[in-house]
Amino acid sequence: EAGVAQSPRYKIIEKRQSVAFWCNPISGHATLYWYQQILGQGPKLLIQFQNNGVVDDSQLPKDRFSAERLKGVDSTLKIQPAKLEDSAVYLCASSSQREYGEQFFGPGTRLTVL
Amino acid sequence: AQSVTQPDIHITVSEGASLELRCNYSYGATPYLFWYVQSPGQGLQLLLKYFSGDTLVQGIKGFEAEFKRSQSSFNLRKPSVHWSDAAEYFCAVGSSNDYKLSFGAGTTVTVRA
Repeated sequence: EAGVAQSPRYKIIEKRQSVAFWCNPISGHATLYWYQQILGQGPKLLIQFQNNGVVDDSQLPKDRFSAERLKGVDSTLKIQPAKLEDSAVYLCASSSQREYGEQFFGPGTRLTVL
Repeated sequence: AQSVTQPDIHITVSEGASLELRCNYSYGATPYLFWYVQSPGQGLQLLLKYFSGDTLVQGIKGFEAEFKRSQSSFNLRKPSVHWSDAAEYFCAVGSSNDYKLSFGAGTTVTVRA
């Protein structure tokens, strides 16, 4: 089966600009996650969707980050305006509730904010 | 709140030697525990997981991990490493009711010839 797709793979922007990331999960996976992975750290959950509803966005900086999952499939994560500290790899993962914990990860988008 | 500590930031091991990566967790109830591997430029791949039952868990690529409740540990082992095992390894703990994972900071493994 096809894996989790993410685009773009790399993005360089200047601070105060906006940026958007796209994720296409594995077909049929109801749960979708966005993580932020800062260099030297483990992934940190930003937001979790169940179908097209938000389950948890407690770690999402809502003043600048937003995410949506239209029709319970693809998802976009947006940052506006970006700050230097947003430089990180943004990982998307999906899972089927039939098997807890096996989250399948995409390759990530590496964001550099100058 | 759940959390994970991986005490070793970087480990260097010779090809063919054994490998052990340490993981300590903090969680109030019975934890769900995972090890993921991340190769350069790749997403995370699940190596193995522990939910309940036998405390010695076998995973892919010849890895195994042992759950020790008394030590709050879930260490990862491999008897003989290959050059392709060079990667970053993450331990994670999951809660039993909301499918959320908390990851450790990771251990980078370098394999020398």
